Amino acid sequence: QTVVTQEPSLTVSPGGTVTLTCASSTGAVTSGYYPNWFQQKPGQAPRALIYSTSNKHSWTPARFSGSLLGGKAALTLSGVQPEDEAEYYCLLYYGGVEGVFGGGTKLTVL
Amino acid sequence: QVQLQESGPGLVKPSQTLSLTCTVSGGSISSGGYYWSWIRQHPGKGLEWIGYIYYSGSTYYNPSLKSRVTISVDTSKNQFSLKLSSVTAADTAVYYCARGGYSYDVDYWGQGTLVTVSS
Repeated sequence: QTVVTQEPSLTVSPGGTVTLTCASSTGAVTSGYYPNWFQQKPGQAPRALIYSTSNKHSWTPARFSGSLLGGKAALTLSGVQPEDEAEYYCLLYYGGVEGVFGGGTKLTVL
Repeated sequence: QVQLQESGPGLVKPSQTLSLTCTVSGGSISSGGYYWSWIRQHPGKGLEWIGYIYYSGSTYYNPSLKSRVTISVDTSKNQFSLKLSSVTAADTAVYYCARGGYSYDVDYWGQGTLVTVSS
């Protein structure tokens, strides 16, 4: 069974920069896994941020960016705001068909 | 703007079938170019993709749930539906419907509906 792994938790100071990563049990993550990133706040549905590694939706704030880093998908937040405190999930596609979510990263802004 | 809204019973008895419907507004399911998904989240846990359907009716199901899942589409009502059979307490979760695109993105989500499996 395919497992997608994220950091369980990270802490960042307001105005700082933080990078969240997303790894696959099958090996290095490439653009062919079309990494997606979502933000979820308590009691809310997930909100899409990034698709196909680095593409932003029209509503995605400029401080969010996606990339590939050291064989993983990565989400970088630059100039973190208090409202960025949330759970972040990555999604990888396998064979272009099966989507598997990571376990999520709880980001604390402190 | 596309909006999705889940509806269905919030309480289902063990061994019965969970049935949910997602109503899409602000866009037509039959216009093509998208796939329509069901995703769930167990209480306090992460996200799990249940499956999806294209407007044509072709489907993909999570292998771990495949034997119990049916997703269908009703283009005349601009709705798609989920049926999950033989439910147990382990199927208690918030169920989301969402839209995915051919750019491998999942952009619009419903607000989610909590389904509890209990006698």
